[in-house]
Order: sequence, then C-alpha cells, then structure tokens
Amino acid sequence: DAGVIQSPRHEVTEMGQEVTLRCKPISGHDYLFWYRQTMMRGLELLIYFNNNVPIDDSGMPEDRFSAKMPNASFSTLKIQPSEPRDSAVYFCASSSGLTSSYEQYFGPGTRLTVT
Amino acid sequence: AQRVTQPEKLLSVFKGAPVELKCNYSYSGSPELFWYVQYSRQRLQLLLRHISRESIKGFTADLNKGETSFHLKKPFAQEEDSAMYYCALRGMNRDDKIIFGKGTRLHILP
Repeated sequence: DAGVIQSPRHEVTEMGQEVTLRCKPISGHDYLFWYRQTMMRGLELLIYFNNNVPIDDSGMPEDRFSAKMPNASFSTLKIQPSEPRDSAVYFCASSSGLTSSYEQYFGPGTRLTVT
Repeated sequence: AQRVTQPEKLLSVFKGAPVELKCNYSYSGSPELFWYVQYSRQRLQLLLRHISRESIKGFTADLNKGETSFHLKKPFAQEEDSAMYYCALRGMNRDDKIIFGKGTRLHILP
C-alpha cells in the first residue's frame, strides 16, 4: 500500500484563484482528516469525515474553505478565493475506526503558496 | 475544553544528553494520548501511544493523570532524533477527534 496519497505536492497560485487539494486515503480506512500546518499555529484540524460524511467542520477557517468526500477513496479540499494567509502545508490523514487506537496515517502534504 | 499544550517551540539538546519534551493536557475524563513525529522530508507518523506503554527508538512517555502530563523522554539523545514532535489527545467517545499540540522542534547538537 502506498499509504495516503496527496496531490499536488506543491502549489503556487495567485491571490483570488481557486485551489483544489486532493487526497486518496488508505483503502479500508473509514475516517479521513484534513489538517493545516503553519509555524504560528502548528497542526490544526480543519475537518474530518466518517464513511464519507462530514462529522466536524468546526476547524474550517471560513466560507472560502470547503471539503468533499464523494466516495471512500477520494476527498478534496477547496479554497475559493485563495488569500496569502492560506499559505501553509495541508495534510490529509486517514484511520480505521475498527482499531482501538485510532492511529492516523498521514499523507506527504501539499505545500500551498499564495502570492 | 480539550486542549494540548507543548510549552517549548524549540528544544536544543546535546548528543548524549537526556531529552524531555513536555506535554500537558486538559480533558475531563480519561483521554488517549499520543506522540507523533515528523522527521525532515518525511511524513508525520505515530511514535507512541500511552496505552501501549512501549519504548520506541528509546523514547518513553508516561501518562500522569495527577499532573495531566504526558512528557516524552529519552535518556541519551541521538542526532537522528532531530525532528518535529507533536503531542496529541483523543477523547474516548467514538467521534472524538484528535487534538494536536503546536509541536516542539527538537534539535540535537553534535
């Protein structure tokens, strides 16, 4: 298994443009998480899904951010319009609710730069 | 409210010296505690969890409910320990999410 897959690995865009980040969780995992990592705020949970259904989106900073999970093997995080303060590394992680430990497996991240 | 506090953003330790990364938490109940690590150019990954009571790469962490702490310790630091370390907490309810601290960057000096 290749683990959690994220694309693109790097994204540079201009302010005001739409950005879409993609994630493929580990097959069989029923939880999917989106995180944002910055120097100032560390690792912040944005939203998470269970069985493709959003459970908690309280971490989504504002309406410019949206996330979808149309099926068990794919999720997107969209920012529209993007702003320079959105520059960060965005991680996707997945886990299996069947294990007692709920260990999360992280993707390599997408480094987003908004100019 | 659930909260994880890592008071040190950066910790520099000489090779061979003991390491202690501090983590304090706030949770009304019995949480599950974890340490995650991110080495340079690698994915964030689980280092250890308190329920396992195991030692990974020489690191241990004991849950102290009285002090609400879960400090990460290693008796003798190695250069390959340099990384970003995150303490995390998860409640015991099915849909409880994991809360991460802001992380501590450990820098091992030669």
